[in-house]
Amino acid sequence: QVQLVESGGGVVQPGRSLRLSCAASGFTFSSYAIHWVRQAPGKGLEWVAVISYDGSNKYYADFVKGRFTISRDKSKNTLYLQMNSLRAEDTAVYYCARDFPPGIRWNYILDFWGQGTLVSVSS
Amino acid sequence: EIVLTQSPGTLSLSPGERATLSCRASQSVSSNYLAWYQQKPGQAPRLLIYGAFTRATGIPDRFSGSGSGTDFTLTISRLEPEDFAVYYCQQYGRSTFFGGGTKVEIK
Repeated sequence: QVQLVESGGGVVQPGRSLRLSCAASGFTFSSYAIHWVRQAPGKGLEWVAVISYDGSNKYYADFVKGRFTISRDKSKNTLYLQMNSLRAEDTAVYYCARDFPPGIRWNYILDFWGQGTLVSVSS
Repeated sequence: EIVLTQSPGTLSLSPGERATLSCRASQSVSSNYLAWYQQKPGQAPRLLIYGAFTRATGIPDRFSGSGSGTDFTLTISRLEPEDFAVYYCQQYGRSTFFGGGTKVEIK
């Protein structure tokens, strides 16, 4: 069955960095675009970034451009989110989510989600 | 940027009742690129509906989506105990945004 398992969250000071991982299994990882979506405590969903099936294209929400980098490793079936210059407002549960259907272009339809990893930015 | 406004903020209903959730967009949603998600406490969101009315795999037919342009509706025909949750609409296309959510709670 499709599984996405995030890891790497934790408590970090403002201005520091953190790298999140999302391990995928149960489907052909290299065929799907994958997204990061976050949810601040008690708040709604906020889309963060997407990477194409082959890693050649990436797109970011304005509020993370220049600070976050999305990448993927086909050999490890793993997605990453490198987060630099973290701010208090980046505090959230970060989910990875699969794009549907598979293809060259992403569609933003998120058909499977991981359980999320909590990032807390605090001094 | 398309802003999605969901109403009501909270819907208090009993099991067996019909739930009608609204999602209004600040401008027309092209090609009806509108999805609905369900989220229960401590869980990840689950895709229910995409393309405004197409149910995702495994979603019961008591869930239905309708609407076009700027006004969309998620209807749950008869609420089951497991349906009490928060529901989000999402516009997608060139980019994507989510609505603020509607909580369906037990009356």
